[in-house]
Amino acid sequence: DTGVSQNPRHKITKRGQNVTFRCDPISEHNRLYWYRQTLGQGPEFLTYFQNEAQLEKSRLLSDRFSAERPKGSFSTLEIQRTEQGDSAMYLCASSDSGTFQNEQYFGPGTRLTVT
Amino acid sequence: GQSLEQPSEVTAVEGAIVQINCTYQTSGFYGLSWYQQHDGGAPTFLSYNALDGLEETGRFSSFLSRSDSYGYLLLQELQMKDSASYFCAAPGTDTGKLIFGQGTTLQVKP
Repeated sequence: DTGVSQNPRHKITKRGQNVTFRCDPISEHNRLYWYRQTLGQGPEFLTYFQNEAQLEKSRLLSDRFSAERPKGSFSTLEIQRTEQGDSAMYLCASSDSGTFQNEQYFGPGTRLTVT
Repeated sequence: GQSLEQPSEVTAVEGAIVQINCTYQTSGFYGLSWYQQHDGGAPTFLSYNALDGLEETGRFSSFLSRSDSYGYLLLQELQMKDSASYFCAAPGTDTGKLIFGQGTTLQVKP
C-alpha cells in the first residue's frame, strides 16, 4: 500500500498526559499537512511542511502542540498536557507541489480521546 | 479571513440528481476543491476548479463562478454508496493548505 499511513489509529489518554502521532506520507510527496476534525465539522488546518521545513502554523496550534518532519519524510505531531478539548480526529495529508490541482491525499487519521 | 458555507444535509433517492452548493469568502482565491468522506473514513479528492465553468468526472461534476464566489457539486445517477459527507474546500494560501466548509451530509434512499 503506497497511500498515507497514520499510527496509531486510536489513542485513549488521560487528561494531562502527552501523546505523539506519526504520519507516513506518500513517498514522493514533499508537502505534508496536519488537520484536526471534530464530529460534524470539516477538517481544520493545523500545520504545513514543505520537505523538512515547517512553513505555516495555524493559530489553533497552541504551545502544547508541536510537529516535526525531521528528514522530510515521516512527520510526528505531539500534544503535551492533553485536555478534553483535544479529543478529535487528527488527519495527515500529503501532496506534490508539482501539481496544481490541490489534490491532497489523506491518511485514515488518529482518533484521540482524552478522558 | 476565509469561510465556506454549504448546506448541512441533503436527501435524495437512488438514480436521482443532487446538487450541493458552496459559497465562499476568501482573501485570496486559488480555486475550489471537493472532497468526499464516508463515515469513519478519510476525505478523498473528487474534483478541483481553478477557472469558471464545469468540470466533469464520470457521474460527478463541479462548477465554479468566481464572480459570484459560488460553486457546486453535481452528483448524477445517485447510488447508495454515494451516501457520505461532501466538503468544499479552498486553498487558503499558495502553500495549498485547505480551508474546508462544514460539510454536507448526503443521504441516498432506495
